[in-house]
Amino acid sequence: KQEVTQIPAALSVPEGENLVLNCSFTDSAIYNLQWFRQDPGKGLTSLLLIQSSQREQTSGRLNASLDKSSGRSTLYIAASQPGDSATYLCAVRPVTGGGNKLTFGTGTQLKVEL
Amino acid sequence: GAGVSQTPSNKVTEKGKYVELRCDPISGHTALYWYRQSLGQGPEFLIYFQGTGAADDSGLPNDRFFAVRPEGSVSTLKIQRTERGDSAVYLCASSLSTANTEAFFGQGTRLTVV
Repeated sequence: KQEVTQIPAALSVPEGENLVLNCSFTDSAIYNLQWFRQDPGKGLTSLLLIQSSQREQTSGRLNASLDKSSGRSTLYIAASQPGDSATYLCAVRPVTGGGNKLTFGTGTQLKVEL
Repeated sequence: GAGVSQTPSNKVTEKGKYVELRCDPISGHTALYWYRQSLGQGPEFLIYFQGTGAADDSGLPNDRFFAVRPEGSVSTLKIQRTERGDSAVYLCASSLSTANTEAFFGQGTRLTVV
């Protein structure tokens, strides 16, 4: 059974700092990995999707990397802003089983302070 | 609509009652997913539909939970004889197909069983 772990569970940083969020998964047979943002009381907003054949994806100040063989992904946030404060979730989709059935980690709660 | 829409946004019900949660996916998306997110946890898969049929319902916790999608668009998650442990945020997502495409999530329905 796939298990997804995110470290740290919570993180507080001053504005402007660069930071890295970590995601690890136990079964490397994944189709893709997706990073989401969740604001309190809200649904999930997709940030980046990395296919299993890719090493990284970038969108603005966000960069996500994937090392499938070691079961790891990182989300790098450059020049953090208070508006980045949210919970960040990673999720993996399996190769087998069909569908876009995602297994999620428990998230990293990020607070960026002024 | 432009995004996945879920109604109601909040639902409070008494233990033992029946509830229905509605999901309206992005127009043209054939795949629809239900997830449940308990406090402090990542979302957990419940069921997904490809068109009108439930392709995988392995995540439904017991037979009190049931979901339908009669016309291949709107889906309803039905919970009978609700229990306090059913309290969670129920998230719906849709994707263009069940192949390698990105899942888009609604804002969720927060269910509280008292």
